Amino acid sequence: SQTIHQWPATLVQPVGSPLSLECTVEGTSNPNLYWYRQAAGRGLQLLFYSVGIGQISSEVPQNLSASRPQDRQFILSSKKLLLSDSGFYLCAWTGGDTSYEQYFGPGTRLTVT
Amino acid sequence: GQQVMQIPQYQHVQEGEDFTTYCNSSTTLSNIQWYKQRPGGHPVFLIQLVKSGEVKKQKRLTFQFGEAKKNSSLHITATQTTDVGTYFCAGMAAGNKLTFGGGTRVLVKP
Repeated sequence: SQTIHQWPATLVQPVGSPLSLECTVEGTSNPNLYWYRQAAGRGLQLLFYSVGIGQISSEVPQNLSASRPQDRQFILSSKKLLLSDSGFYLCAWTGGDTSYEQYFGPGTRLTVT
Repeated sequence: GQQVMQIPQYQHVQEGEDFTTYCNSSTTLSNIQWYKQRPGGHPVFLIQLVKSGEVKKQKRLTFQFGEAKKNSSLHITATQTTDVGTYFCAGMAAGNKLTFGGGTRVLVKP
């Protein structure tokens, strides 16, 4: 069966510090991968998605970036965090062209102080 | 761009009562999905609707896709405390990107 992992689970970082969040998927190959951010009590905002290694599409301009160095690995990064980057970061995957439902990882709660 | 709106934002329900949450898209959708997020958890896929006018049931939950494929509803009968959480609809118009609604946060009064 497929599983999706995210780490760390929680993170407290000062303003201006770098960020690296990692997501890995097991039990499937060539998944579509997604990064979302959820502000407290709000909906999900799509940040990035990837349909393959090295292929990244950005949905919103910001100081975040994403990379997909391996088929089942998706990384969210920032060089300098802002207070507004605080939130719940969720990684999700889908099976591709014929399977549209998304399966989410447990998420990372980021607090920028 | 595509927008998906959900109402109500909050739903306070007495245990045992029914309620409905509504989802409206600014554009015609190829499919619509529903997710449930428990407090402190991550969204979990519930169902996907693809056909115009489609109705699907999962125990006490009934999902409907509008004839114009621009709106959807989730109806829960005989609400239980296990129904607590936020219900999101998410519409897919093109490609593999979902646009999520703001969610309906359900609170159940015992």
